[in-house]
Formats: sequence, C-alpha cells, structure tokens
Amino acid sequence: EDQVTQSPEALRLQEGESSSLNCSYTVSGLRGLFWYRQDPGKGPEFLFTLYSAGEEKEKERLKATLTKKESFLHITAPKPEDSATYLCAVPSSASKIIFGSGTRLSIRP
Amino acid sequence: ETGVTQSPTHLIKTRGQQVTLRCSSQSGHNTVSWYQQALGQGPQFIFQYYREEENGRGNFPPRFSGLQFPNYSSELNVNALELDDSALYLCASSFELPDRGPYEQYFGPGTRLTVT
Repeated sequence: EDQVTQSPEALRLQEGESSSLNCSYTVSGLRGLFWYRQDPGKGPEFLFTLYSAGEEKEKERLKATLTKKESFLHITAPKPEDSATYLCAVPSSASKIIFGSGTRLSIRP
Repeated sequence: ETGVTQSPTHLIKTRGQQVTLRCSSQSGHNTVSWYQQALGQGPQFIFQYYREEENGRGNFPPRFSGLQFPNYSSELNVNALELDDSALYLCASSFELPDRGPYEQYFGPGTRLTVT
C-alpha cells in the first residue's frame, strides 16, 4: 500500500537555527513529490514539485531535495514567519494524492 | 487571477443531517479535488472531478458525493452526517491533461464542519 511518513511530528527551533524535515514514501512508480505549507485554519499553500531523484528546488530559506526513498525540506536560518505545518504528498493511483501527517515547525524569536 | 474560494467558512450540523459545501476553482483550472482534514492530520483524498466527471475516489463511503459544473465550480455533498465527519474540508483546483502530470494543486481556505 502506498504510504507517506513525515518526521519529526513537531520541531521547535531558535530563530537562525537551520534544520531539515523528512518525508519518506512508499509508492509504485514515483511520478513526483509535492511540498506544501499550511498555516493554522488555512488551506495548504503549494511550495515545490520534485519529479525525479537528485532534483533540488529552492525558495527563499527553503530547499527541497529528493532521493528514491525520501525527500528533505531544508530550512536555513529560519525566521518566526516560517512557523507552520509542512506537508509532503505523492501521487498514488489515478488522480489520488496521498499526504503525510505533516511536521509542525515552530521558530522562536 | 482569482484563487480558490470555498463557502461557507464554518458550518454546524446535527448527526443525520445532510450538508452541501461549495468551491469555486481558480481561473483557468479544469479539475477540482476534495479532501477531508482531521485535526493534526494531513488531508485525506475524497474524490476528484475532471470535466464534470468523477475521476478518482478515495476510501470514503457513497454518502460522500459531488458535482462539477460547466464553469468548473464544484459541490461536495455529505448525507447522513456522523460525528466523525467533523473536520476541515478542503477544495483544490488544478489544470490537468489526461494521462499527464503530476500537477500541483491550489487549495482554498476550507470549510470547518462540526457535527453535533
């Protein structure tokens, strides 16, 4: 069964303290992987699509990478406004997208 | 460019009632997907509509049904509401072509449904 697992569930960092979030997946024939950011009470906001192992994408303080089994979201010198839940998702069978449970990131000033 | 909108924002219903949630897709998008998100969990795929036809369904019972209209807006209907249906319901739109992709989806703000 296709599955997406994110770790850690929650992460508290000091402002400026870099770290990485992990997304492990089990899916037949990976066709891509998505990263989203979700603020409390709001819908997820699209960040990146990664299509193949070895691909990297960056946006401000975020960089997403992809291997054959997992993806990392690296956050460099985070600021309090980066606090949010970060979700990863993979396409499964036709039209179905599977989301992980997310990592709740909290950045202290 | 208008983003994805959903209505209502919040809704309180009683067990056994029926509810209809509405979604307007982003301009230029032809596909709408619906998700259920319980507190502290990731979104769970309910179903997707492409050109007014259901185009994939998750593990949800038939009392969850939907429609897509010619303008690509969509409705999610839930019959015989149960307490466990309390959740944030998210609509996402995308522009998709058959047998291509994957395509990133753009989400609306959600409808918070509470069943008592």
